[in-house]
Amino acid sequence: GQNIDQPTEMTATEGAIVQINCTYQTSGFNGLFWYQQHAGEAPTFLSYNVLDGLEEKGRFSSFLSRSKGYSYLLLKELQMKDSASYLCAVRDSNYQLIWGAGTKLIIKP
Amino acid sequence: GAVVSQHPSRVICKSGTSVKIECRSLDFQATTMFWYRQFPKQSLMLMATSNEGSKATYEQGVEKDKFLINHASLTLSTLTVTSAHPEDSSFYICSARDGLAGDTGELFFGEGSRLTVL
Repeated sequence: GQNIDQPTEMTATEGAIVQINCTYQTSGFNGLFWYQQHAGEAPTFLSYNVLDGLEEKGRFSSFLSRSKGYSYLLLKELQMKDSASYLCAVRDSNYQLIWGAGTKLIIKP
Repeated sequence: GAVVSQHPSRVICKSGTSVKIECRSLDFQATTMFWYRQFPKQSLMLMATSNEGSKATYEQGVEKDKFLINHASLTLSTLTVTSAHPEDSSFYICSARDGLAGDTGELFFGEGSRLTVL
């Protein structure tokens, strides 16, 4: 079956750096996405990786290794507003999005 | 970026009634829209894929007679929860892809609709 694993919850300190990991096992691969979702709101797009390597976008970076079925989202200079759930999603060979359960990130002052 | 508008944002209804949720792409044409359901502290669960001008494709376990999806135009898809019951209470979210924008794969989400069935 298809499976995406990411930690349920993480805690970090304001101003610090945090890395959220995502491992996947899917039937085919056509890209990996990271979304941010604040409680009670719809997800917002953060990043898209289809080739191996690091994609940097401001304070957020996303890394992909297709051979390892692994990605991470790196958040730098954490701010209180970064407290949210972070969803990893993989697009499979049928171009269907498979969603992880999300990682709830708690930022402490 | 592209904007998707979803309405209503919150709805409370009595058990047995039907509720319609609208999803509109405001500045692009969406040939495909997706409907998700999200229970508290859980991830998004794809309910169905809505294609303009054709029947929706439902995921396994989703009752197509209960969750009616209509995608009559390139900018509007509707989800009707028929004969709603308390177990249907959830956060319903639509999303769309701008097919003309090139394949970044990015989905644009509506604001979500929180349904509470009493």
